[in-house]
Amino acid sequence: EAQVTQNPRYLITVTGKKLTVTCSQNMNHEYMSWYRQDPGLGLRQIYYSMNVEVTDKGDVPEGYKVSRKEKRNFPLILESPSPNQTSLYFCASSLSPALGTQYFGPGTRLTVL
Amino acid sequence: GIQVEQSPPDLILQEGANSTLRCNFSDSVNNLQWFHQNPWGQLINLFYIPSGTKQNGRLSATTVATERYSLLYISSSQTTDSGVYFCAVDRPSGTYKYIFGTGTRLKVLA
Repeated sequence: EAQVTQNPRYLITVTGKKLTVTCSQNMNHEYMSWYRQDPGLGLRQIYYSMNVEVTDKGDVPEGYKVSRKEKRNFPLILESPSPNQTSLYFCASSLSPALGTQYFGPGTRLTVL
Repeated sequence: GIQVEQSPPDLILQEGANSTLRCNFSDSVNNLQWFHQNPWGQLINLFYIPSGTKQNGRLSATTVATERYSLLYISSSQTTDSGVYFCAVDRPSGTYKYIFGTGTRLKVLA
């Protein structure tokens, strides 16, 4: 089944404890992206990747890192999480940057205490 | 930067009614998509429609790129249509960053 998977689905952590949210797609998509969703602010793009080893900042990249070492994986790294990073996170992928139909993962609900 | 506005912000319908959701954007775009976020939070893509008209069952969408708007039509609404509808556009110049509208929250009553 073609899908985008994220892990973990739920995470409660404490300030400063490094964490990684994994994202994987099995559709051989070139383009992958991370978004966060917050009440009143909607969905905002954190980082995106046009292909392996090609990443760029979205609207809200501060406090996050990403890497794209393999085509299928695009992990989101929070080196030192803070409470303002409490949010619902979505990973998405599309066949190519120019063919923009994005498919979303199920989301990861992160709480930073 | 580009602004994306959706209207109406909230909509309540009786089952079986039709509705039109609108997405206005302030600059030219290369890509436009419509998504549905169901009450469980899942984001489902509905249409990739940078221009023209598409239909999928009870849903259809039209984008008039020259006038910078897109419309999503829902006919014979069902309770399962409830949720939030978003449009998303990429920024011009091929950067492939995406910006989402603030959404239309739809509730369909049985």
